[in-house]
Amino acid sequence: ETGVTQTPRHLVMGMTNKKSLKCEQHLGHNAMYWYKQSAKKPLELMFVYSLEERVENNSVPSRFSPECPNSSHLFLHLHTLQPEDSALYLCASSPDTGGDSYNEQFFGPGTRLTVL
Amino acid sequence: AQKVTQAQTEISVVEKEDVTLDCVYETRDTTYYLFWYKQPPSGELVFLIRRNSFDEQNEISGRYSWNFQKSTSSFNFTITASQVVDSAVYFCALSEAGDYKLSFGAGTTVTVRA
Repeated sequence: ETGVTQTPRHLVMGMTNKKSLKCEQHLGHNAMYWYKQSAKKPLELMFVYSLEERVENNSVPSRFSPECPNSSHLFLHLHTLQPEDSALYLCASSPDTGGDSYNEQFFGPGTRLTVL
Repeated sequence: AQKVTQAQTEISVVEKEDVTLDCVYETRDTTYYLFWYKQPPSGELVFLIRRNSFDEQNEISGRYSWNFQKSTSSFNFTITASQVVDSAVYFCALSEAGDYKLSFGAGTTVTVRA
């Protein structure tokens, strides 16, 4: 595997279900990100992790719970979602999160989530 | 505050036509980075280019070229002799030095018809 992978690619769930999205990066990066992409809206940054520590939580509802067990893996745990949470969830990674270096993010293919 | 504007929502061209995507940005920082990403129907955002604010040289990569003009705060992207495989959503993005956040534009959907 190369780059950033995400599983599953498609997920349909009911509002009472609990599911998890998985992201894995094979680039040796230290930072990982979750984005939400809804139809006709700009990408929304949800969470940022740097060296397994959460550095950003953009007022995301608690029904979304991230987990970063190590710098290569990132999860997004979902529970009691709403239909408006249906979207493409993208994971990304970058070498780092700050300093004087540029921030080049590499994205996974996304998980298309539908909440019924 | 950061802001990226992609005024063109959709562009449709016939194969072999050139297409230019506009990107205008706002930032108060003197050091910043500009990016273009391509999102094909498969969903993955594919990195195309990064430019820093101190390098205004235009760049060409195959059929792709980029025109960076600080005077007008623009970073436009041209696809020459477009092909059907170029059909995608293209995003312009900005980040300031020392900040991991990428501010994305709303994207421009390019459709290339055979």
